[in-house]
Amino acid sequence: GAGVSQSPRYKVAKRGQDVALRCDPISGHVSLFWYQQALGQGPEFLTYFQNEAQLDKSGLPSDRFFAERPEGSVSTLKIQRTQQEDSAVYLCASSNRGTGAFNEQFFGPGTRLTVL
Amino acid sequence: AQSVTQLGSHVSVSEGALVLLRCNYSSSVPPYLFWYVQYPNQGLQLLLKYTSAATLVKGINGFEAEFKKSETSFHLTKPSAHMSDAAEYFCAVSHRNEKLTFGTGTRLTIIP
Repeated sequence: GAGVSQSPRYKVAKRGQDVALRCDPISGHVSLFWYQQALGQGPEFLTYFQNEAQLDKSGLPSDRFFAERPEGSVSTLKIQRTQQEDSAVYLCASSNRGTGAFNEQFFGPGTRLTVL
Repeated sequence: AQSVTQLGSHVSVSEGALVLLRCNYSSSVPPYLFWYVQYPNQGLQLLLKYTSAATLVKGINGFEAEFKKSETSFHLTKPSAHMSDAAEYFCAVSHRNEKLTFGTGTRLTIIP
């Protein structure tokens, strides 16, 4: 597939469990973004990578959230000790670094996390 | 800081009628503005974008939007609604290639 893929598509966790969400960006895309979309809300920025470097993590809501992209391709968002308020759809997006001023972000289908 | 406000969380229009979804932005620097569409259980798809070129922007599926700096608005329109337009629409703002800041969304319902 040529698009951004995410796995799993659905995840149910018991409160207190750790979860790991995976994002496979479009091949060759330099930039990768994570967003959190709560029910009935717009997506909110979590963190941003350029290659393997995490350049902005200002949107991570707590130190229970951790993201990595060790080889500059696949990224994993990890949530430790999940809480009910973590229930949301987690969206991943990737973009290329072109020569123009604008590089479109392409979104994956998201992972819907439900914490019971 | 930058933000967008979408007026109307739900909009219903009859099939064939004009679609108007409102978006106002706030940005301390010249903004990039976007409209995304989200169908159920799918990711966000870019409808159109304003990146400081022409103020009237045409997108996919017959949608267009006009950037009005004096009104800080970027409303989305389509002359004639189709049943397939039913979806959630998000306005977003960014500065160059940084993170997107989204509005809370407008759910568009098309009445047959």
